[in-house]
Amino acid sequence: DAGITQSPRHKVTETGTPVTLRCHQTENHRYMYWYRQDPGHGLRLIHYSYGVKDTDKGEVSDGYSVSRSKTEDFLLTLESATSSQTSVYFCAIRSGTGGTYEQYFGPGTRLTVT
Amino acid sequence: GESVGLHLPTLSVQEGDNSIINCAYSNSASDYFIWYKQESGKGPQFIIDIRSNMDKRQGQRVTVLLNKTVKHLSLQIAATQPGDSAVYFCAESQTGGFKTIFGAGTRLFVKA
Repeated sequence: DAGITQSPRHKVTETGTPVTLRCHQTENHRYMYWYRQDPGHGLRLIHYSYGVKDTDKGEVSDGYSVSRSKTEDFLLTLESATSSQTSVYFCAIRSGTGGTYEQYFGPGTRLTVT
Repeated sequence: GESVGLHLPTLSVQEGDNSIINCAYSNSASDYFIWYKQESGKGPQFIIDIRSNMDKRQGQRVTVLLNKTVKHLSLQIAATQPGDSAVYFCAESQTGGFKTIFGAGTRLFVKA
């Protein structure tokens, strides 16, 4: 599992509340990603980070913000959760050694917004 | 576990047969391709990759074929086993780029 943990693993929250999901890695990888996975849409990139304090938007970034103050932690925040943000969220790291760019994923967080 | 796709293409094979999962990629500038396997309730797992300077790469029981002319990838699984039942995603990226684009996935169902 490349030393990736996500917390919480499951969360139910109400519309309008803020939510923060945490991704933690133990192997000092530079690149980290947040995806959401929904039926019929596969994996869609929300935000990514290419170093401490260096982040950028993905294809579905509206309504989400991220922070990376330490190499090992990448936080995803839903400022005001909406029902459309009910999804499974995956964090990933990219192993960038040797010219290959495969990503390794955490176990996922199932978020339900009621 | 979570449902990863209610309307995914599905491939059903008999245990012991070979499986071929196909994928069309979108960006002709992509030069690095990966196959992932996702079991129910888990995150995607790296299987095998291939660079655009190759047209075939073999791993343990898996082979990836790349046809750049028609922008097509395939994953071949030899002697398919019940443990191979999962959703399989292809993904494309560019050398030096940060992002990876994932396909929608194919569900493989192995009949014992």
